[in-house]
Amino acid sequence: QQPVQSPQAVILREGEDAVINCSSSKALYSVHWYRQKHGEAPIFLMILLKGGEQKGHDKISASFNEKKQQSSLYLTASQLSYSGTYFCGTEKKLTSPFAFGTGTKLQVIP
Amino acid sequence: DSGVTQTPKHLITATGQRVTLRCSPRSGDLSVYWYQQSLDQGLQFLIQYYNGEERAKGNILERFSAQQFPDLHSELNLSSLELGDSALYFCASSVVDSTRETQYFGPGTRLLVL
Repeated sequence: QQPVQSPQAVILREGEDAVINCSSSKALYSVHWYRQKHGEAPIFLMILLKGGEQKGHDKISASFNEKKQQSSLYLTASQLSYSGTYFCGTEKKLTSPFAFGTGTKLQVIP
Repeated sequence: DSGVTQTPKHLITATGQRVTLRCSPRSGDLSVYWYQQSLDQGLQFLIQYYNGEERAKGNILERFSAQQFPDLHSELNLSSLELGDSALYFCASSVVDSTRETQYFGPGTRLLVL
């Protein structure tokens, strides 16, 4: 079952913050976050495991709320290079099919 | 450059035809995943192979099949093609049979069915 992302799209000015949410109706084992620029392959950002800690690098971090089956991606002090479509990917267990979210289009403007 | 290669980059064919897409994983990666991305749509997981064996199956049509060979490269076969099969097909590889590891995506094969 496809996880649902919100918002569907967001426009930010450079330096502003954003939060992208990913929700599933099923219990999750892991959540992955990817960014994809138009016409390019997705690039892995980070993975969060059930029972794991909040992760992050540079100004992008994420959390995983197991009780709510929801993950949030936090982008702080956004840069032009952050523009793209962000996808969450989820799995219910280690060998279950991987399901990508509906995607969130993020545009950072000067 | 992720280290994952896919050929061909572009493919134009007609309805009813059959095509084969090829993926070479990064050196040492045992897992290969196939995804379909239609125009302005999200990524749909098709199938995963690990060291030659099928490990997980997603929304893969019966007209589609895949395999992973002893040298770990993988092929996705699409037959009886329909207009709706036009999409970008990605493969990704990871080092272990676990999504705890990063999936590295290839550049994709753009398929256009006319």
